[in-house]
Amino acid sequence: QKEVEQNSGPLSVPEGAIASLNCTYSDRGSQSFFWYRQYSGKSPELIMSIYSNGDKEDGRFTAQLNKASQYVSLLIRDSQPSDSATYLCAVSRAGTALIFGKGTTLSVSS
Amino acid sequence: DADVTQTPRNRITKTGKRIMLECSQTKGHDRMYWYRQDPGLGLRLIYYSFDVKDINKGEISDGYSVSRQAQAKFSLSLESAIPNQTALYFCATSDSTGTITADTQYFGPGTRLTVL
Repeated sequence: QKEVEQNSGPLSVPEGAIASLNCTYSDRGSQSFFWYRQYSGKSPELIMSIYSNGDKEDGRFTAQLNKASQYVSLLIRDSQPSDSATYLCAVSRAGTALIFGKGTTLSVSS
Repeated sequence: DADVTQTPRNRITKTGKRIMLECSQTKGHDRMYWYRQDPGLGLRLIYYSFDVKDINKGEISDGYSVSRQAQAKFSLSLESAIPNQTALYFCATSDSTGTITADTQYFGPGTRLTVL
């Protein structure tokens, strides 16, 4: 059974702080890694994708991938109240359906 | 206009009724997916289709069936709805170029289904 594990949270951070979200996966053959943001009652929205070891930055978001340790993380710098949402980690082998974690709820207080 | 649309957006039905949820996309993607989401359980894959002639069961296909009418249309049916099928249902699409970047999935707005 291929699994993706996330801490369900809630993760609470003050406005302006760095939020760190973590995800581990069981399938060593995974090649594609994604972070989606989901507001309550809305559909998941892609934030970041990463395919090789290391860091990938996009604005306030940085995705980090370590295939040897089988974890992927998302850092959100200068967190804003609008970042309050559930963050879903997803992984896949090339050409297969994504496997999603259950999500981590982030709460940013002003 | 949205690239991935779902109809209806909300539906209340009774136990035993047949329900069809529809998904259409204008992204030109070959691959389409149906998920359900329940509080605390994340997104769970019901069925997926990699092209019109390819249908695959996902993690929780029991009680559901699908039809891929065209590249752009993928329907999910509940033959005899039961209360524990009350959930938020999402359709998603992805490309099929064979590259790992093609695995990105794009979601529709969701259908909130309540079975009484």
